[in-house]
Amino acid sequence: ETGVTQSPTHLIKTRGQQVTLRCSSQSGHNTVSWYQQALGQGPQFIFQYYREEENGRGNFPPRFSGLQFPNYSSELNVNALELDDSALYLCASSIEMGAYEQYFGPGTRLTVT
Amino acid sequence: GENVEQHPSTLSVQEGDSAVIKCTYSDSASNYFPWYKQELGKRPQLIIDIRSNVGEKKDQRIAVTLNKTAKHFSLHITETQPEDSAVYFCAASKNQGAQKLVFGQGTRLTINP
Repeated sequence: ETGVTQSPTHLIKTRGQQVTLRCSSQSGHNTVSWYQQALGQGPQFIFQYYREEENGRGNFPPRFSGLQFPNYSSELNVNALELDDSALYLCASSIEMGAYEQYFGPGTRLTVT
Repeated sequence: GENVEQHPSTLSVQEGDSAVIKCTYSDSASNYFPWYKQELGKRPQLIIDIRSNVGEKKDQRIAVTLNKTAKHFSLHITETQPEDSAVYFCAASKNQGAQKLVFGQGTRLTINP
């Protein structure tokens, strides 16, 4: 198992609400990426954070936002939740921005009703 | 942007036989190709990866081959065991800006005893 942790494990929200998901990267890792995995599909890149700055973004609207803290932990915030936001949200950490290997956390299962 | 196609979507093999999963990618600048194994309800687990300066890499019963000219790479599992049953994802990435992983659609591998 990797040292990447995520909270909460499961979450149920209502359409229109806002949600914050949290990720603690593996010790020594300063880069965190967030992915959305819909049921039966591969993970899709949302964005990456390196040393508290957003380092790149996938094809997701601005209501998906994030933060990285000085200890390299990270948050994913989603505003104005839609039914299609229901998915497994995964974070992955890397030892350095230029490193290739990404190690995933267990994910947060978000259900929007 | 990068597009990764993965085949087959499902694969069923007898225990002890070999399994092969194939992926193609579109962006010739991609230079890192990991494979992840995801068991039901668990995190994607990095099982093997290959970089574009190498044509083949092996780790015990698993191996990955890369053909840069044809832009395809494959996962080979020999002497399959029931614990190999899972969904396998290939991905591609390039070392430009955010090292986002672009995933294939996944292959559900079932090992029949």
